[in-house]
Amino acid sequence: EAQVTQNPRYLITVTGKKLTVTCSQNMNHEYMSWYRQDPGLGLRQIYYSMNVEVTDKGDVPEGYKVSRKEKRNFPLILESPSPNQTSLYFCASGLDRAYNEQFFGPGTRLTVL
Amino acid sequence: KQEVTQIPAALSVPEGENLVLNCSFTDSAIYNLQWFRQDPGKGLTSLLLIQSSQREQTSGRLNASLDKSSGRSTLYIAASQPGDSATYLCAGHMEYGNKLVFGAGTILRVKS
Repeated sequence: EAQVTQNPRYLITVTGKKLTVTCSQNMNHEYMSWYRQDPGLGLRQIYYSMNVEVTDKGDVPEGYKVSRKEKRNFPLILESPSPNQTSLYFCASGLDRAYNEQFFGPGTRLTVL
Repeated sequence: KQEVTQIPAALSVPEGENLVLNCSFTDSAIYNLQWFRQDPGKGLTSLLLIQSSQREQTSGRLNASLDKSSGRSTLYIAASQPGDSATYLCAGHMEYGNKLVFGAGTILRVKS
């Protein structure tokens, strides 16, 4: 089954404790991206990747890092999480550009205390 | 800066009604437009992608149209069912920035 998977689905952590949210797709897509969804602010792009070793900032990249060492994986790293990063995070993938149909993962609900 | 607006913000209808959800965007530099469905606490499910060369797309009871010149897209749901209850999001695929720009969504409730 073609899908985007994220882990963990739920995470409660404390300020400053480094964490990684994994994202994997099995559709051989070149384009991957991360979004966060917040009440009243909607979905906003954090980072995106056009291919292996090619990443770029989205609209809200502060406090986040990403890497793309393999085509199928695009982890989101929070090196020192803060409470304002409490949010619902989504990973997405598309064939080779943002304007191709985008497929989203199930989401990761992160709470930073 | 692209802004995407969805009207209405919420809609409650009896089962069986046909309904229209509206999406408008301010910047005509929109390449494609995609409609999603989001169930509470869940991810986004792609419903329809309308490419810039198309004016509409159909899938089952869903029909979506795109008019770039007027900056509008509509999602038509025929014969609504309680299972259609969800939040519907439209997102513009921008020609620049390699991202989707999302509307705030329409919360749909279909009553049985």
